[in-house]
Amino acid sequence: AQSVTQLDSQVPVFEEAPVELRCNYSSSVSVYLFWYVQYPNQGLQLLLKYLSGSTLVKGINGFEAEFNKSQTSFHLRKPSVHISDTAEYFCAVSELFSGTYKYIFGTGTRLKVLA
Amino acid sequence: EAGVAQSPRYKIIEKRQSVAFWCNPISGHATLYWYQQILGQGPKLLIQFQNNGVVDDSQLPKDRFSAERLKGVDSTLKIQPAKLEDSAVYLCASSLVWGYEQYFGPGTRLTVT
Repeated sequence: AQSVTQLDSQVPVFEEAPVELRCNYSSSVSVYLFWYVQYPNQGLQLLLKYLSGSTLVKGINGFEAEFNKSQTSFHLRKPSVHISDTAEYFCAVSELFSGTYKYIFGTGTRLKVLA
Repeated sequence: EAGVAQSPRYKIIEKRQSVAFWCNPISGHATLYWYQQILGQGPKLLIQFQNNGVVDDSQLPKDRFSAERLKGVDSTLKIQPAKLEDSAVYLCASSLVWGYEQYFGPGTRLTVT
């Protein structure tokens, strides 16, 4: 992917409300898509992945994402958020380019869940 | 299953000094990655190894950064000499299948003064 765009740098949302974190990418080849979560002072943890097959993928902690090839998007959703979901979320794309897999991350979206 | 191990967790050095970071990937993972994450940004891939061979180091500042993965297991990333702009978290990750999901260590926070 030449780029991965996460349009929202910060998303505040009240507890138990739904949330969508947006991710768009640019690529001319097939890609693998991922969402990772990063809690303070920790490394990244995989939330979910799309490799092939069904475009709706489910991950840990009640998150899901839908791959839309025509819109080159992979938005992350959760129907009801908890305080513990407060963290930074990164979208990532892996594509095969000149025989090498290139892994590109977005700039991240900080999700703040309010009581 | 043990996760990806990194050390040290924190390091403070003065500019022009050298520093080294160590990473031990998940057992059996052939691919190992080093990332630089500057505050407020996403991780930026510096170098990736398949076993003990470099498959991509196009974004590694080779005039000051070097990395090796002897025996195809653990790896070391070195910066010499460090600059102020090298202040960042250095993340190590590994994957079982090249191109698929990665598993990250806790990172090393480097502060260059």
